[in-house]
Amino acid sequence: KNQVEQSPQSLIILEGKNCTLQCNYTVSPFSNLRWYKQDTGRGPVSLTIMTFSENTKSNGRYTATLDADTKQSSLHITASQLSDSASYICVVSRNNAGNMLTFGGGTRLMVKP
Amino acid sequence: NAGVTQTPKFQVLKTGQSMTLQCAQDMNHNSMYWYRQDPGMGLRLIYYSASEGTTDKGEVPNGYNVSRLNKREFSLRLESAAPSQTSVYFCASSGPGGHQPQHFGDGTRLSIL
Repeated sequence: KNQVEQSPQSLIILEGKNCTLQCNYTVSPFSNLRWYKQDTGRGPVSLTIMTFSENTKSNGRYTATLDADTKQSSLHITASQLSDSASYICVVSRNNAGNMLTFGGGTRLMVKP
Repeated sequence: NAGVTQTPKFQVLKTGQSMTLQCAQDMNHNSMYWYRQDPGMGLRLIYYSASEGTTDKGEVPNGYNVSRLNKREFSLRLESAAPSQTSVYFCASSGPGGHQPQHFGDGTRLSIL
């Protein structure tokens, strides 16, 4: 079954600290892996998209890694800010399935001052 | 630049009532999608449209119908609303190719009593 599992479900950190969110997937055949940020009451916004050949990709203070052999990805947030408080969603696209996506349940991050 | 616009933002219905959720995008995208997001679960695809004039079922299509009115607009209709359809509904669009991000609207929060 095509699944995307994220951990932890929720996380509280202090402003300025770093954190890492995890994503494991069983989606096959793999096309790409995406990380989205979803603020409360808003739609998800794309942070990164990584294909099979990409091990790491950065977007400002966000750095995503991908290990396609172990089917794991992580999202590292550096020097967190209050505005980083949001849900972070890992999404995997299947090859030969158009642009069909399998969504993880998300990690809810709260950054406290 | 509006991106993806959804209307209405909130709606309360009684069981058995019908309604149409509207979605429009101004990015000239061919592909459009309707998802639902329920607490603790990942977004699930209801219907999608790969191009104007075509629509296909997603993971959870029962109880819904869609219309791709033109390239810009993709509507979702609930013919006879049920409490199980209480959810947040997101519309998204994407450009060509399998590695393009999906751009989401800010959702319609629908409660069915």
